[in-house]
Amino acid sequence: QSALTQPRSVSGSPGQSVTISCTGTSSDVGGYNFVSWYQQHPTKAPKVLIYEVTKRPSGVPNRFSGSKSGNTASLTISGLQADDEADYYCSSYANNYVVFGGGTKLTVL
Amino acid sequence: EVRLVESGGGLVQPGGSLRLSCAASGFTFSSYWMHWVRQAPGKGLVWVSRLNTEGSSTNYADSVKGRFTISRDNTKNTLYLQLNSLRAEDTAVYYCARGGPRRWDNMDVWGQGTTVTVSS
Repeated sequence: QSALTQPRSVSGSPGQSVTISCTGTSSDVGGYNFVSWYQQHPTKAPKVLIYEVTKRPSGVPNRFSGSKSGNTASLTISGLQADDEADYYCSSYANNYVVFGGGTKLTVL
Repeated sequence: EVRLVESGGGLVQPGGSLRLSCAASGFTFSSYWMHWVRQAPGKGLVWVSRLNTEGSSTNYADSVKGRFTISRDNTKNTLYLQLNSLRAEDTAVYYCARGGPRRWDNMDVWGQGTTVTVSS
């Protein structure tokens, strides 16, 4: 049950795009198409942005997109906005557990 | 409105116990897997446990296995987490989260969290 690996921080200017990676193993990310991404602003509960690798819940802007290759999933945020500054977490279904990444702090410069 | 409201957190001594509750409303609670996720101060999200719709199938993180017990009462639309043999490292905000009808569904609704502090 090791945590998925995410970069601790990323940054970008308004209007730019950033990509956050999430690396696991063949037992979690690589083995299932059940990767989710969550956004968490300070003192708030997490909010789901992406589920099942590429799907967006209603209400989530299409600036947020997900993908996966092998054991690594990615979240891309295009057209960065000030409100995108937050912590981002990936998670993956595994057979007998769920695992999160360590989180990535996105700074909008 | 779909809503999850946690309660039961507080200050407890090491080795002590606590029971957290999560009251669900606005959806058919009995049709959804449910999860507990925790977040230590200044740290990331860590999955704790999940429970199937009937309350008969559970999974736990290795760090809490044997000490925590997840359960639910579908007649009261409430999820529980019994925390025993608490340690300082269990100090965290505990969130309940709604899964889906299937065990692999993501967590799409989260409560606001309840804080557990383990300290003497």
